[in-house]
Amino acid sequence: GAGVSQSPSNKVTEKGKDVELRCDPISGHTALYWYRQRLGQGLEFLIYFQGNSAPDKSGLPSDRFSAERTGESVSTLTIQRTQQEDSAVYLCASSELAGGINEQYFGPGTRLTVT
Amino acid sequence: ELKVEQNPLFLSMQEGKNYTIYCNYSTTSDRLYWYRQDPGKSLESLFVLLSNGAVKQEGRLMASLDTKARLSTLHITAAVHDLSATYFCAVAPRGNYKLTFGKGTLLTVNP
Repeated sequence: GAGVSQSPSNKVTEKGKDVELRCDPISGHTALYWYRQRLGQGLEFLIYFQGNSAPDKSGLPSDRFSAERTGESVSTLTIQRTQQEDSAVYLCASSELAGGINEQYFGPGTRLTVT
Repeated sequence: ELKVEQNPLFLSMQEGKNYTIYCNYSTTSDRLYWYRQDPGKSLESLFVLLSNGAVKQEGRLMASLDTKARLSTLHITAAVHDLSATYFCAVAPRGNYKLTFGKGTLLTVNP
């Protein structure tokens, strides 16, 4: 079946612009996660959705970052007034349920470059 | 705060050799994951380890978990070039969904 998809795959933007990154999870997966991966680093947790609500936003690095999820499906991560330090690959993952084995399936990522 | 440390961070091996990647973590956990990432690609799940003493094997890779030592190992047997990739371990604290990742081990297998 279809895996997690993300769009765009690459985004180049000028410093100060807003960007929106999209994630389509695996159908039926109620839990959705956003991570950031800086060059040569591991993944940093950003935010987690259970259904349409986000009980844990603790990883969002600043108030310029926000995310929403609608219809227990698509999620959008928005970065306002982008800065060069926001350049990274943004990965989305989904799982059937949070907790339990909670095997997370990752999308291909969006590579964001802020110039 | 949960910390996950992998070592080595860089590993260059010859084909046919054996080696082990180590993953230490700082707090009680009941789930440990190993992922593989090829350059420019996303993460592929390799193993999920759920209990003390768990051992899983797939091809030339074998993962184990010692929850008392808070240590997991990923052992590579008779490496081949196709295993070249970055390997991450990730840990979820007991009763928590949030994964904390190590920095990854960049494995290069040379002919």
